[in-house]
Amino acid sequence: EAGVAQSPRYKIIEKRQSVAFWCNPISGHATLYWYQQILGQGPKLLIQFQNNGVVDDSQLPKDRFSAERLKGVDSTLKIQPAKLEDSAVYLCASSRGGADPNYGYTFGSGTRLTVV
Amino acid sequence: SQKIEQNSEALNIQEGKTATLTCNYTNYSPAYLQWYRQDPGRGPVFLLLIRENEKEKRKERLKVTFDTTLKQSLFHITASQPADSATYLCALNNNDMRFGAGTRLTVKP
Repeated sequence: EAGVAQSPRYKIIEKRQSVAFWCNPISGHATLYWYQQILGQGPKLLIQFQNNGVVDDSQLPKDRFSAERLKGVDSTLKIQPAKLEDSAVYLCASSRGGADPNYGYTFGSGTRLTVV
Repeated sequence: SQKIEQNSEALNIQEGKTATLTCNYTNYSPAYLQWYRQDPGRGPVFLLLIRENEKEKRKERLKVTFDTTLKQSLFHITASQPADSATYLCALNNNDMRFGAGTRLTVKP
C-alpha cells in the first residue's frame, strides 16, 4: 500500500508571498486531514475533510489559509499571504474514516515551510 | 481549558531498560487514546490505540495503560534499543485527534 504523498518537501518564501501544498492520501481513505506542526510542538489540526466535504475547519485561519479536496481524493492547502509565524511543517494525514480508529492516522512526511 | 501534557521534553535511558512515558490530560473525556512515533523529518507513525474501557494494551515490546480516573496514559517500551530513539506523541480523540507535544526518547547503547 502506497503511503500518503506530499509535495514539495521544503519551501522557503518571503512574508506576504503565497504558497501551496499538495497531498495525495492512501487510496480508499475517505478522511483527509491537514495538520500544522510548529517546532517543538505536537501537530495541530487545521482542517478535516470527509470525501470532498469539510468536517471541521474551526482552527483554520480563514483570512489567509484555504484548502480544497474537489474530487474527494487529493487536496491542496494554500497560504496567502504568508506570515513569519506560519513557518512550520505541514502534515497531511488520511484515515479510513468511520467509527473505527484502530488503524490510526497515516501521515505523509510533510512540507517544511520557512517564511523569511 | 483543555490540555494534553507529556511528562517531559526529553527522556534518556540505557539500552535494555524500560522506558516509561506519561500523557496527562485535562478537560477531555476521550473514548480512546493513541500513541504515535515520530522520527526527525518524518510524519508520525501510529503505534497503538487503547479505548476508555481498556486498562492495558500490549504489542510486542510496547505496553500502554489508560486510567480515566487519573486522566493519564502510560506508554512503556521494554528492553529498549537505540533504534527506539524517537519522539513519542500521545493523541486523544475529541471529534478530531488532539496531540500532545511529545517526549523525545534517547536510548543509549
